[in-house]
Amino acid sequence: DQQVKQNSPSLSVQEGRISILNCDYTNSMFDYFLWYKKYPAEGPTFLISISSIKDKNEDGRFTVFLNKSAKHLSLHIVPSQPGDSAVYFCAASAPGSARQLTFGSGTQLTVLP
Amino acid sequence: DSGVTQTPKHLITATGQRVTLRCSPRSGDLSVYWYQQSLDQGLQFLIQYYNGEERAKGNILERFSAQQFPDLHSELNLSSLELGDSALYFCASSVGATMNTEAFFGQGTRLTVV
Repeated sequence: DQQVKQNSPSLSVQEGRISILNCDYTNSMFDYFLWYKKYPAEGPTFLISISSIKDKNEDGRFTVFLNKSAKHLSLHIVPSQPGDSAVYFCAASAPGSARQLTFGSGTQLTVLP
Repeated sequence: DSGVTQTPKHLITATGQRVTLRCSPRSGDLSVYWYQQSLDQGLQFLIQYYNGEERAKGNILERFSAQQFPDLHSELNLSSLELGDSALYFCASSVGATMNTEAFFGQGTRLTVV
């Protein structure tokens, strides 16, 4: 049972436009959400996070939105740049001593010059 | 460079064999996490060690085991390998005992079972 779902395996966007990556979750205990970016032959790197007490968090060109009632979060990248081309993973954690992350399957973003 | 080192980068082995994957965490990090990424899947949490002790267990098969040594490096042992064990295995490390924004991933070990 996939508790974190990224239903779009791939997304192509023109340079300078907005990229919107979506993520849905089913576990209502999740209270902390993260986005990771992964380039080929590298490990995932942390991008941005949001706590369930917020509905928006912004860091430069990256903004994450959380809709708790819909159990949905999205990552907006504005403006998109060719260097943003990577696989983006959504992850979530629930309260607990270890808080291990549950990851989605990832979305391959391609930003076209 | 995340500071987390995984060896080897690639491994090809036959079914039924046993392999050991190694992870050196960032200097000062006490936690090591192991994740498995199969084709078109997200990263699946396997196991976490904190300062030498097992702290959390995920969907780790009985054929798999791990340990963290006094110098804090960790090894993931995979035995009686099956074709379905072919995957990318990632190690991550963090200072504290929880997986949060301060966790850093290694480059991964790509295991191919033939």
